[in-house]
Amino acid sequence: GQSLEQPSEVTAVEGAIVQINCTYQTSGFYGLSWYQQHDGGAPTFLSYNALDGLEETGRFSSFLSRSDSYGYLLLQELQMKDSASYFCAVVNTDKLIFGTGTRLQVFP
Amino acid sequence: SAVISQKPSRDICQRGTSLTIQCQVDSQVTMMFWYRQQPGQSLTLIATANQGSEATYESGFVIDKFPISRPNLTFSTLTVSNMSPEDSSIYLCSVEGGEGQRGYTFGSGTRLTVV
Repeated sequence: GQSLEQPSEVTAVEGAIVQINCTYQTSGFYGLSWYQQHDGGAPTFLSYNALDGLEETGRFSSFLSRSDSYGYLLLQELQMKDSASYFCAVVNTDKLIFGTGTRLQVFP
Repeated sequence: SAVISQKPSRDICQRGTSLTIQCQVDSQVTMMFWYRQQPGQSLTLIATANQGSEATYESGFVIDKFPISRPNLTFSTLTVSNMSPEDSSIYLCSVEGGEGQRGYTFGSGTRLTVV
């Protein structure tokens, strides 16, 4: 079967740094993506890692270790607007398989 | 990246009826994807829709319950048939971002409540 596991919830304060982990077990793997979803909204694309290492996009960075079937999303300088659900997703041939999701709550 | 118009945005339906959800994309795409997201849960892929061929369904989803049409490269519909309260969920369509775009774009979703 296929599984992508994430912590269910993470809390942090404004200005802090938070890391959301994702471990995966899938039958096919092209890369690992991250999506943000605010309550009532659609998922929006944040980042994509096809190769091992760190990808940085502004305040957000994403890391992948293919040998460990593991990745993480790092959010720096947290803002209240970062409160949302975050999903890792494996790009598997031509489709996305989503992780269990992590709800991030940012407090003032 | 592609822009998707999805409708209806929400609906309340009687059990035993059917609802058809539409997605229109502003560019031609090879594949469109349909997901279900139950309240507080992750997204589960229902099926992949290719133009000119039958949709490919994921385990646990069948064509009789979720028939899909893909008449051209910019449009698709998902029908939720013979609905029960367990079908209450958010349904989303999605497409790949396109040339040079690594992310997938999602429609705004259809919030379905079955009573």
